[in-house]
Amino acid sequence: KAGVTQTPRYLIKTRGQQVTLSCSPISGHRSVSWYQQTPGQGLQFLFEYFSETQRNKGNFPGRFSGRQFSNSRSEMNVSTLELGDSALYLCASSLELASNTQYFGPGTRLTVL
Amino acid sequence: AQSVTQLGSHVSVSEGALVLLRCNYSSSVPPYLFWYVQYPNQGLQLLLKYTTGATLVKGINGFEAEFKKSETSFHLTKPSAHMSDAAEYFCAVSVGTASKLTFGTGTRLQVTL
Repeated sequence: KAGVTQTPRYLIKTRGQQVTLSCSPISGHRSVSWYQQTPGQGLQFLFEYFSETQRNKGNFPGRFSGRQFSNSRSEMNVSTLELGDSALYLCASSLELASNTQYFGPGTRLTVL
Repeated sequence: AQSVTQLGSHVSVSEGALVLLRCNYSSSVPPYLFWYVQYPNQGLQLLLKYTTGATLVKGINGFEAEFKKSETSFHLTKPSAHMSDAAEYFCAVSVGTASKLTFGTGTRLQVTL
């Protein structure tokens, strides 16, 4: 069974632009979560989606948003990019909302210049 | 709120030596505990997890961890280190019906000849 896939793997943007990252969960998995990984802050939870609804949200500004489609694929969007948004963005999928075991994709490396 | 503390940001062992990576957690309710490994430029790979039941958990690649409630610990061990074990290791906790993971700051394992 294919794992979690994320596209693109690498992105370079400039300050003020917006960006959309995509995540396809493992087949049959219905819950998708997003995490940001930076050297300074480590791994931080962004949000979780299940049945096209945001179920849980981390402590990030409103510039960070996401959505989930009926096929469980998810996208996250960051508007008005700042230098501090440079990070590895990881997507994780799990079977159900409360299945407690998440499987991660390879991540999207975003660089903001 | 739950939290995770990983003691030692860098650990160096000789090939063939015991690997011990420390993790302590804080949670007001019974936790679910996880160890993930991250190789350079990759996502997180699940090594093992503790949900309920047996407190000694065996994972992939010869790793195991023991849940000790009295010590609020979930240390990761491997009897004999291999060069391919060099990576960053993250301990994580989730609670209740939430899939959201709270991560420790990570421990970089170096394996020397």
